[in-house]
Amino acid sequence: EIVMTQSPATLSVSPGERAALSCRASQSVGSNLAWYQQKPGQAPRLLFLGASTRAAGIPARFSGSGSATEFTLTISSLQSEDFAVYYCQQYNNWPYTFGQGTKLQIK
Amino acid sequence: QVQLQQSGPGLVKPSQTLSLTCAISGDSVSSNSVVWYWIRQSPSSGLEWLGRTYYRSKWYTDYALSVRSRITINTDTSKNQFSLQLNSVTPEDTAVYYCARAAGGTLFDFWGQGALVTVSS
Repeated sequence: EIVMTQSPATLSVSPGERAALSCRASQSVGSNLAWYQQKPGQAPRLLFLGASTRAAGIPARFSGSGSATEFTLTISSLQSEDFAVYYCQQYNNWPYTFGQGTKLQIK
Repeated sequence: QVQLQQSGPGLVKPSQTLSLTCAISGDSVSSNSVVWYWIRQSPSSGLEWLGRTYYRSKWYTDYALSVRSRITINTDTSKNQFSLQLNSVTPEDTAVYYCARAAGGTLFDFWGQGALVTVSS
């Protein structure tokens, strides 16, 4: 089973600033990496597929990059609604696995 | 628009059976291009898939090793829904349980609203 490791566990950033969240896979997953956003009391929401393709309705301030074992989710100018928990998920090898999440909080 | 509506009790006694149902609208449980999952989330285990079911000329189910001896996922095509049964629960099964659709079998694009299930006497 592929282990997904996200860092940092918590990231404190001021509104308007840039945030970069990291996800590392224990072995190569190619570009088969998704990102999800979860707000309190809600289910996760798909943000990215294929490491860098935004899902429908996701604002352009969100970008995804990386391949193989190293991936980054970047939010260029944080809005209040962006403070949430973010998860990565690999879907290259069954079983598909999630990272433990990065909590993005207001500084 | 696909919607998944979960139902089931929020409190289960230890050693008893946890049962949840996920009613689907806007798609078919028998679709041959998606996979239907049960996933749970707890502070200790994070997001953990429990099992999945899908139809590809016949029905398939897969279960996570961690619950394989205790879990059953069923489908009801007449009601367009699928269900989760988890037997012999312990307090460690306390979690928020989600049903979800995986487009192409890989990406979770639609989720149920989630159900907090507490295992306690």
